[in-house]
Amino acid sequence: EADIYQTPRYLVIGTGKKITLECSQTMGHDKMYWYQQDPGMELHLIHYSYGVNSTEKGDLSSESTVSRIRTEHFPLTLESARPSHTSQYLCASSDQVGSGNTIYFGEGSWLTVV
Amino acid sequence: GNSVTQMEGPVTLSEEAFLTINCTYTATGYPSLFWYVQYPGEGLQLLLKATKADDKGSNKGFEATYRKETTSFHLEKGSVQVSDSAVYFCALSGYNAGNMLTFGGGTRLMVKP
Repeated sequence: EADIYQTPRYLVIGTGKKITLECSQTMGHDKMYWYQQDPGMELHLIHYSYGVNSTEKGDLSSESTVSRIRTEHFPLTLESARPSHTSQYLCASSDQVGSGNTIYFGEGSWLTVV
Repeated sequence: GNSVTQMEGPVTLSEEAFLTINCTYTATGYPSLFWYVQYPGEGLQLLLKATKADDKGSNKGFEATYRKETTSFHLEKGSVQVSDSAVYFCALSGYNAGNMLTFGGGTRLMVKP
């Protein structure tokens, strides 16, 4: 079992609210990721980090922002939520070395903006 | 760039049927290949992986062989169960992409008793 945790699991909020999705891992992994999963199942990388103070944008443009102040923590923030942000957000982490290293996923945060 | 193509679903099978989910990829160099599974309401879990050509990954009765000559990594299981109902994602990671995972679009499997 992977030790990567996301909160909240489910969230319904109103348009214009600020929200932060939390992600923590206890495996000491350097790399962390945020994926957005469309209702049609496809996964898109929106942010990633190589380590503390490193953040990069992924393949899919996102209005969210991330920070990496501690190795184990990689929160994602939406300053002003909109219905178009309704989706599932998956956090993941992996070791730095090698292309064969497994990426471990959290259970996901389901966000609904009304 | 890297890409992964997998068969579209849903795939509907009866219990104990044979399963194949096709996956082909495009990548430079020698990527690693993965199958992840997502059960309803959950995140993705690694099902199996292969890191070099001709490697066979296996887990929970599922198998997939890394075929470089056909750039494929098809998932198979000899006898599916209702509990195998889930979405299956094929993915690759390669050095030229910073070891980022590139996912296929996912294939939903529904197994009926």
